[in-house]
Amino acid sequence: KNEVEQSPQNLTAQEGEFITINCSYSVGISALHWLQQHPGGGIVSLFMLSSGKKKHGRLIATINIQEKHSSLHITASHPRDSAVYICAVRSNGGSNYKLTFGKGTLLTVNP
Amino acid sequence: NAGVTQTPKFQVLKTGQSMTLQCAQDMNHNSMYWYRQDPGMGLRLIYYSASEGTTDKGEVPNGYNVSRLNKREFSLRLESAAPSQTSVYFCASSDRGSYGYTFGSGTRLTVV
Repeated sequence: KNEVEQSPQNLTAQEGEFITINCSYSVGISALHWLQQHPGGGIVSLFMLSSGKKKHGRLIATINIQEKHSSLHITASHPRDSAVYICAVRSNGGSNYKLTFGKGTLLTVNP
Repeated sequence: NAGVTQTPKFQVLKTGQSMTLQCAQDMNHNSMYWYRQDPGMGLRLIYYSASEGTTDKGEVPNGYNVSRLNKREFSLRLESAAPSQTSVYFCASSDRGSYGYTFGSGTRLTVV
């Protein structure tokens, strides 16, 4: 079983819809990252969370440490939000800062 | 612009050829990483360098070597390329204190 599980794997929405992508993990973590990757493009860090909630524009990320679960929400979705969204966790302990990645959620927003 | 710079962006190799992927960061980060990304799989760690002068194996190190040349630069070498190494490679760096992570733009490598 992968340490980081994302759902759904694929998501298609109409412009303007509210989007939720989920991430569950099985290890103790010191931080959780949400990343965005456009087709053929590089990887951009959207959020880094260790507790609570963060908001940036139309994007909101939440984390529940006790339940080992995080969600990424997109309000008023737009076709330019179409991308792969990746959840990654940094495990507790150790002297390195490696990330373990989910397989990603492919989001397509249609106009 | 500050960030992580990878070269080259694209490369085609014949089986058995060697090459080095270059990565440099100008954010004074201590830790640097090489990942590969394959369809249907999450990014997987090849090698990492927690600090200048140290390197360690990740999940999929076979067929690769690395060099942490100085604090800024971390290179990945394929000594004898194989078709199984066809992938997109990402370099990343992170800061110990802030947990921030920055990725390079990727190298698309095809081995024929």
